[in-house]
Parts: sequence; C-alpha cells; structure tokens
Amino acid sequence: DGGITQSPKYLFRKEGQNVTLSCEQNLNHDAMYWYRQDPGQGLRLIYYSQIVNDFQKGDIAEGYSVSREKKESFPLTVTSAQKNPTAFYLCASSMGVGHTEAFFGQGTRLTVV
Amino acid sequence: AQSVAQPEDQVNVAEGNPLTVKCTYSVSGNPYLFWYVQYPNRGLQFLLKYITGDNLVKGSYGFEAEFNKSQTSFHLKKPSALVSDSALYFCASFNAGNNRKLIWGLGTSLAVNP
Repeated sequence: DGGITQSPKYLFRKEGQNVTLSCEQNLNHDAMYWYRQDPGQGLRLIYYSQIVNDFQKGDIAEGYSVSREKKESFPLTVTSAQKNPTAFYLCASSMGVGHTEAFFGQGTRLTVV
Repeated sequence: AQSVAQPEDQVNVAEGNPLTVKCTYSVSGNPYLFWYVQYPNRGLQFLLKYITGDNLVKGSYGFEAEFNKSQTSFHLKKPSALVSDSALYFCASFNAGNNRKLIWGLGTSLAVNP
C-alpha cells in the first residue's frame, strides 16, 4: 500500500533530551513537510523540503532540525532547545510544493515528562 | 498579509440536515483552495480542492465546496449530514508568492447530532 508512515504514534521525552520523529513515504513525492498541531492553533509549519538534500525553515523552526538524505524519509529532531515540545506532530508529502494535495501521516503525539 | 479564516470554531447540525463550514481567504493572485478533514488523533485527509474552472467543486464523502470570487469564500457543504461527519475541518490556500507554502485556517469542529 502506498502511503506515509509516522512512528512512533506516542513518544515520551524527558526534559533536556533530544528526540527524533520518523516519517517515511512510498508515494514517490518530492515535497515533504512537518507540522505542529496545538489545540486552537491549527497547523503550524516547522520545516519543509522540496527535494532531496534541501530543506527550508517554516514558521516555527526554532528548536527543531531535519534532514532529507533520501527522497522517502524526512526525520524531525526535537531538540532540548525547543521550550514547549509537547504537541501533536504531523508529517505530510505532496507531488510538489504548490497546488497538489498533501497526504498526511497519522501523527506522533510527543509528551515531555 | 495573506490569510485564511474559518469564522466558526464549532458548527452543530442535526443528522440529515444540510451542513456548511465557512472559509474566507485573502491571498494575492489566483487562489488555490483546499479542504481537509481530521478525525480525533489522526492525520488530515484531503477532501477537495479548487484550482480553476467550475466554481462548484465535488469531493470525497459527498462533500462539495463553492468558490465565490467576489466574496472571497470557499464554503464546504454537504446536503445531508451524517454523525460520522463529526470531525475537525481545515481550509487552506496555496501561497504562490516567494515562499510557496500552504496557508491554513485554524479549523472548525463539526458536531453532527443524531
């Protein structure tokens, strides 16, 4: 089945630790995105990548890092510099950046304990 | 500034009644507009999009949306609501400017009551 897979579904992190969220797609999409979702705030873009080995900061990139070494994979690292990391994180992909629809993963809920 | 607004945080309708979820936009150039749905603790699913052409766009699960250029609106509609339509709905617009990103509304929670 084609799709976009995020793992894990739930993640707990101690304060001061870095943690990496996985996102893999087998849709052959060029563009991939990471969003953060908080209640009442909709979706906020963290990073996006239009092509392998290239990525751009979104609106709330501070405290996060990404890599795009393979077309299929776009992992997100939440660093200890992110002051309020508890949130629902969504990964998405699309054929290109623009007017093509995005396909979303099922999300990772990160909780800092 | 370019933006997408969903003026209602929550919409309540009775099952079998028509539903409307409102969206207005403010973007430069020709807008590309989208609707997505999100069920609890899940990712978003694409419902429909307007790029060009007919102002009435039909999408998944019996939903449709009407593009109205003069009112800068793109309201989501369904003739007869189902309890299973209860979810969070997001409107989004593609920004064809320099950053080429989707601009998202804050979402509208739809509750369909049996």
